[in-house]
Amino acid sequence: AQSVSQHNHHVILSEAASLELGCNYSYGGTVNLFWYVQYPGQHLQLLLKYFSGDPLVKGIKGFEAEFIKSKFSFNLRKPSVQWSDTAEYFCAVNPASGGSYIPTFGRGTSLIVHP
Amino acid sequence: KAGVTQTPRYLIKTRGQQVTLSCSPISGHRSVSWYQQTPGQGLQFLFEYFSETQRNKGNFPGRFSGRQFSNSRSEMNVSTLELGDSALYLCASSPGLRYEQYFGPGTRLTVT
Repeated sequence: AQSVSQHNHHVILSEAASLELGCNYSYGGTVNLFWYVQYPGQHLQLLLKYFSGDPLVKGIKGFEAEFIKSKFSFNLRKPSVQWSDTAEYFCAVNPASGGSYIPTFGRGTSLIVHP
Repeated sequence: KAGVTQTPRYLIKTRGQQVTLSCSPISGHRSVSWYQQTPGQGLQFLFEYFSETQRNKGNFPGRFSGRQFSNSRSEMNVSTLELGDSALYLCASSPGLRYEQYFGPGTRLTVT
């Protein structure tokens, strides 16, 4: 069965610091990859996605992620965080093809940004 | 476009009862998925419906069931509620299978 591992459960940064959140998955085939974000009091929403092509994908609010197939990783980055980036971040994986599947989410990383 | 809506937002039930939760997807989306979110287990996939057919199913007991109507609206039912069913139940819609998902606000179910 596939799985998603987010290594950092809690991250605390000061504004303007750089951010990198790790995400590794286990699945032998081609995957679709996602990062979702949940701001305090709001719904889960899509931050960015990767289906194919350029492994460096850009999302909303200055976030980007890089798919490294050989490392089964899809790390999320932002060069300079803001207080408003305080949220919970989830990495998710779907098999890109095949029969039935189970969309799999990581346990989430709680990011707190101090002003 | 209006987002995913879920009703009710909060629900308190007694052990042994059953409950039905409702979800209206984004207009034009034909896929609806349901998730259970708890602090201990995180986000766990329940099932996904597409064109009124269950296409994918997670590892939950048969007490958890769902259906999708011709207008893509979906319902989820939990029978014989247990204390461990207390959770936030999220509905998500998608343009198709394997695509990104758009989540609703969730239904907070408390079982006493």
